[in-house]
Amino acid sequence: DVKVTQSSRYLVKRTGEKVFLECVQDMDHENMFWYRQDPGLGLRLIYFSYDVKMKEKGDIPEGYSVSREKKERFSLILESASTNQTSMYLCASRKLMQAGGHETQYFGPGTRLLVL
Amino acid sequence: EDQVTQSPEALRLQEGESSSLNCSYTVSGLRGLFWYRQDPGKGPEFLFTLYSAGEEKEKERLKATLTKKESFLHITAPKPEDSATYLCAVQALSGGYNKLIFGAGTRLAVHP
Repeated sequence: DVKVTQSSRYLVKRTGEKVFLECVQDMDHENMFWYRQDPGLGLRLIYFSYDVKMKEKGDIPEGYSVSREKKERFSLILESASTNQTSMYLCASRKLMQAGGHETQYFGPGTRLLVL
Repeated sequence: EDQVTQSPEALRLQEGESSSLNCSYTVSGLRGLFWYRQDPGKGPEFLFTLYSAGEEKEKERLKATLTKKESFLHITAPKPEDSATYLCAVQALSGGYNKLIFGAGTRLAVHP
C-alpha cells in the first residue's frame, strides 16, 4: 500500500511566521506534489518535484517555496505566512511516468493551516 | 484552456436511490482520468483510473465510465457510508509536464 504522511494534521500560526509543512512517502516515488484546497476552488497545484533536488512551479507558487533534499521527503515552506494562506494543504506522490505511461497520484491526509 | 467541470455541485440521495455524477473535460492531450473520494478533513482517496473512451471500471457500488468528452460515476443502491465528496481529475500534458487538473467536486449525501 502506498503511504503518504504529513507532519501535522492541524497548525495555527501567526502572520509573518515562517511555516514548514513536511511530507514523506514510503513507496520510492520520484514525483511529489503540493496542493492547496479551498472551498469552491478545488485543488490547486503549488509546486512539484520530479526528482531529488528538482522543483517546478505549479499554478500558484507565489508566497511559497519547496525543498527536496531526499527522495522520500518534500517540504513546503511559507516564508512569511499571511491570512490568505489559511487553507488545507495536500501532499501527493507518484511513480515516475514513462513516455506514454500512466501513473496515479496518491495523497496524504492533509494539513489544515490557520494563519491568524 | 484545459478545464474540468463536475456536476451537480451537491447531490442528496435516499439510501438505495441510484444516481450518476458527471465530469466533463476539455484537455488538449488526455493521459488518464481519475476519480477520487474525499471524506471531510481528509486527503483524497484514489478510486479509479480510466484511459480510453469506452473503458469502464467497477468497485463495489461504484462504476466509472469514460467517453471522449466526459466521465460518469454511477452509484448503485448507495448507502450512508458512500457520503463524501467525489473528485474528478484529468492528467494532461501541460508546459512539458504531466499535471492533474481537478474539478471542484460533487458533495454526495446519502440519507437512511
